Amino acid sequence: DGGITQSPKYLFRKEGQNVTLSCEQNLNHDAMYWYRQDPGQGLRLIYYSQIVNDFQKGDIAEGYSVSREKKESFPLTVTSAQKNPTAFYLCASSTQLPVAKNIQYFGAGTRLSVL
Amino acid sequence: GENVEQHPSTLSVQEGDSAVIKCTYSDSASNYFPWYKQELGKGPQLIIDIRSNVGEKKDQRIAVTLNKTAKHFSLHITETQPEDSAVYFCAASNGNNRLAFGKGNQVVVIP
Repeated sequence: DGGITQSPKYLFRKEGQNVTLSCEQNLNHDAMYWYRQDPGQGLRLIYYSQIVNDFQKGDIAEGYSVSREKKESFPLTVTSAQKNPTAFYLCASSTQLPVAKNIQYFGAGTRLSVL
Repeated sequence: GENVEQHPSTLSVQEGDSAVIKCTYSDSASNYFPWYKQELGKGPQLIIDIRSNVGEKKDQRIAVTLNKTAKHFSLHITETQPEDSAVYFCAASNGNNRLAFGKGNQVVVIP
């Protein structure tokens, strides 16, 4: 079953705690993305990676960190520096092949709440 | 950077009628325009997309039109059904591997 798997589906963070959201894809896509979605808002880009061992900040990277050690994995850490982490987090991936470039496929999301 | 706006924010239609959602974009270099459907508690699903070398694309009850001069593109859903009720997002890209998303439209199909 090919696709993008995000885990966990629900996550709770205590004050001052770092939490890590998992994103795995078996589509052989080169590029991966993390978005944050708040109620009534569009998707805002946190970080993205176009190739293994490389990643770039998106529009709202403060308080977040990522790594891209493997092509199929792009975990997102929400650090204690992110003061308002409650949101729905979405991971996406896309191929770099010209014919399908920029087509992003999304996982089912992780809902993060603060205790 | 690219700025994408969607109108209206909420749209209610009677089952069987048509729904039209319009998006405008700011970057004239944008050349790829996808539409996503998001159901409650799920990730967005790509439903149709269009590239700047065509003006219209159709897939069964869904169509997208693009007006590059006016910098707007629209999603058309015909013969709406209750399962069409969802939030629809438009997006634009200039080929830099990033998508700029609109804020979404809540479409409600009334049985």
